[in-house]
Amino acid sequence: GENVEQHPSTLSVQEGDSAVIKCTYSDSASNYFPWYKQELGKRPQLIIDIRSNVGEKKDQRIAVTLNKTAKHFSLHITETQPEDSAVYFCAPNFGNEKLTFGTGTRLTIIP
Amino acid sequence: GAVVSQHPSRVICKSGTSVKIECRSLDFQATTMFWYRQFPKQSLMLMATSNEGSKATYEQGVEKDKFLINHASLTLSTLTVTSAHPEDSSFYICSVGGLAGSYSYEQYFGPGTRLTVT
Repeated sequence: GENVEQHPSTLSVQEGDSAVIKCTYSDSASNYFPWYKQELGKRPQLIIDIRSNVGEKKDQRIAVTLNKTAKHFSLHITETQPEDSAVYFCAPNFGNEKLTFGTGTRLTIIP
Repeated sequence: GAVVSQHPSRVICKSGTSVKIECRSLDFQATTMFWYRQFPKQSLMLMATSNEGSKATYEQGVEKDKFLINHASLTLSTLTVTSAHPEDSSFYICSVGGLAGSYSYEQYFGPGTRLTVT
């Protein structure tokens, strides 16, 4: 089956610093690359996504970069704030409408 | 985006009973809905794809006779966990996708249903 891995699995960052989470996938047919944020006991929320014809996308403090050749894409959060603490999942598709969620990264922002 | 609701938000049932979970798309006609399961501190695992007016497509390893899915209208899909056992205790989340006229694969998630089987 499809293999989606995230690194690191846990990440602690001082408030105000940047955080980077990497997602590696296995299928070259993937053409949609979203990142979701999930707080404890709540639904996943889409925070940013990118399509395969774009290498980078930015939305205020959040950015996503894509390297299709190497089959990985990364989430970048700058000027981190305590409310950024959550679990983050990448969820690339595999050429169809189904998303495969990554292993997850628990981000903790240290005040 | 689409607004998605689920009912109930929490349910506790006894082993051997069946539980029905509803997923509603409140402002969008969804031809496709997805059902996920999430165990504590784990990722979301896709269980099945629910298609309006046709049979659901189950992922490998998911028992279709145990997890019955009905997508009878463009706004409602139901998941019934039959003969539930403690190992079925989990967080069940639905999503809708494929907004009409959109080229995006974006999915909008419901708030989830926490099932506890005693």
